[in-house]
Amino acid sequence: EAGVVQSPRYKIIEKKQPVAFWCNPISGHNTLYWYRQNLGQGPELLIRYENEEAVDDSQLPKDRFSAERLKGVDSTLKIQPAELGDSAVYLCASSVPGQGYYEQYFGPGTRLTVT
Amino acid sequence: RKEVEQDPGPFNVPEGATVAFNCTYSNSASQSFFWYRQDCRKEPKLLMSVYSSGNEDGRFTAQLNRASQYISLLIRDSKLSDSATYLCVVKGNGGFKTIFGAGTRLFVKA
Repeated sequence: EAGVVQSPRYKIIEKKQPVAFWCNPISGHNTLYWYRQNLGQGPELLIRYENEEAVDDSQLPKDRFSAERLKGVDSTLKIQPAELGDSAVYLCASSVPGQGYYEQYFGPGTRLTVT
Repeated sequence: RKEVEQDPGPFNVPEGATVAFNCTYSNSASQSFFWYRQDCRKEPKLLMSVYSSGNEDGRFTAQLNRASQYISLLIRDSKLSDSATYLCVVKGNGGFKTIFGAGTRLFVKA
């Protein structure tokens, strides 16, 4: 079974440029998460989707970050414009839906460097 | 105060040693607790859930103390392959908010 797929794996951009990350969750996983992980820190949740609905985006910096999951499967996270402090690994994860906690399966992440 | 705090590490131990990590959480209404493992430049993966009664999986033992609001992970007979960062994870009340600690790095040496 394929795991969570993310692309690109690495991205280097200059500040003020836009950037987008793509995620394809595990088939059948209706819950999708985007996390940001800074060096030496744990993942920090940016947004969580249940199908195509964003049910928790309280940590998403909405002035420059946006996300979408139009058909309830793939998702895209965008930053526009990027700032130096956005350099981090952006992780996508998915899990089965439900009221309890289900294991989150993470993709390999996109390592973003903003210069 | 951070919502989830872990021992800063790193822990450097010889093979065969026993090592313990602690993690404290601030929200007394937290419901679920987990340990994830993250290898260098890799994604986090679930190691084990933590149950109120404590649970064991081979060389790994997890404990939960709700009164003191901390969880622990004990690794016995450390292997070189145990070298990784161990992330404490707490699921808060209301909704599905999941909070990761900063992680504790473990180095097991031959």
